[in-house]
Amino acid sequence: GESVGLHLPTLSVQEGDNSIINCAYSNSASDYFIWYKQESGKGPQFIIDIRSNMDKRQGQRVTVLLNKTVKHLSLQIAATQPGDSAVYFCAENNSQKAGGTSYGKLTFGQGTILTVHP
Amino acid sequence: SQTIHQWPATLVQPVGSPLSLECTVEGTSNPNLYWYRQAAGRGLQLLFYSVGIGQISSEVPQNLSASRPQDRQFILSSKKLLLSDSGFYLCAWTDPNSPLHFGNGTRLTVT
Repeated sequence: GESVGLHLPTLSVQEGDNSIINCAYSNSASDYFIWYKQESGKGPQFIIDIRSNMDKRQGQRVTVLLNKTVKHLSLQIAATQPGDSAVYFCAENNSQKAGGTSYGKLTFGQGTILTVHP
Repeated sequence: SQTIHQWPATLVQPVGSPLSLECTVEGTSNPNLYWYRQAAGRGLQLLFYSVGIGQISSEVPQNLSASRPQDRQFILSSKKLLLSDSGFYLCAWTDPNSPLHFGNGTRLTVT
């Protein structure tokens, strides 16, 4: 079946460093990928998304890289700040399978805990 | 801009009691609506989704049900809660031009 996996990572970085969070997915039919940030006691917050026809997309301080050959997704955070400390989730979607619910039927990984030390 | 509201934020209920969690979305029409559950230390699992009023699809067999009485209202219910229903319940919405956006969730503890 489909699965998106984060291997129980915990990432600790110093303020100002760059952070890279990795994610592997197993469904080669997935064509839409998304990263979320979740702070304690809150719902996941959208960070950035990417479609399978792209291999890189940049936002404000964040970059998502997609390697379809090895089914790997990464989130890069530049100049990491203490406010970036949170759990980060990747998620994937097969829009053809999801049909009219296209963006909403996501399969989530288990999350990476990012801790930024001042 | 669109906003999503979920309540209550926390809830403690005894086993066997009923449940009703409510979610409303503002600033959009005919959104797709979703209920996800997050177990402690784990990712999110899709429970239900709805593409329109009265239209509910269930993703996993369970003790819960969902209803959509109005375009921007989504309700998660149970007639009799089980201990295993404890978790963090998240409502979310999309439309054809938006990624999935979540509410701030309800922490349910069944005792």
